[in-house]
Amino acid sequence: TAGITQAPTSQILAAGRSMTLRCTQDMRHNAMYWYRQDLGLGLRLIHYSNTAGTTGKGEVPDGYSVSRANTDDFPLTLASAVPSQTSVYFCASSDGREAFFGQGTRLTVV
Amino acid sequence: EDQVTQSPEALRLQEGESSSLNCSYTVSGLRGLFWYRQDPGKGPEFLFTLYSAGEEKEKERLKATLTKKESFLHITAPKPEDSATYLCAVYGYSGAGSYQLTFGKGTKLSVIP
Repeated sequence: TAGITQAPTSQILAAGRSMTLRCTQDMRHNAMYWYRQDLGLGLRLIHYSNTAGTTGKGEVPDGYSVSRANTDDFPLTLASAVPSQTSVYFCASSDGREAFFGQGTRLTVV
Repeated sequence: EDQVTQSPEALRLQEGESSSLNCSYTVSGLRGLFWYRQDPGKGPEFLFTLYSAGEEKEKERLKATLTKKESFLHITAPKPEDSATYLCAVYGYSGAGSYQLTFGKGTKLSVIP
């Protein structure tokens, strides 16, 4: 079973460039989330979507945007990357009873 | 604003030495409390969901319990392979029909042979 698939696994990105992190789930969960994980700060919510067509801002949304055109896909876009966006990014989905994570995207902005 | 605090930040146990990890929380409209295990370089692995005070769930050497203000993850006779970071999260109401999953910073468990 695939569960949640994130791509790419890792990326080095020049500052000022844009990038989209992809996230796809096959569990038909309504809710999806994007987190970043940094040493000492834990998992912090960037954006979320409770159902297709709706999105909301989390704790650290600045510099990021999301869309939810359908149930399965929840891409995260960095319009103009900065070094402080260097992090590990995790996508998750939930049906309210369980929540599952992808394996993460390690992003380095130089 | 939902808040989740985990303690201790790090815990070293001898193999077979039982202990508990704590997760205290404040949340509006708790829908569930989740426990995860995370190994280095990997995504969090789902362990349990608890829904109401008094509920308990078990999986191998792990047992999770829930009160109105906190949850405990009890580890009985741990083995080195139980070494990981354990994360707690609350699934709470954030207004306008939305729910968010808010995490604590985790407890890093090391089990020494």
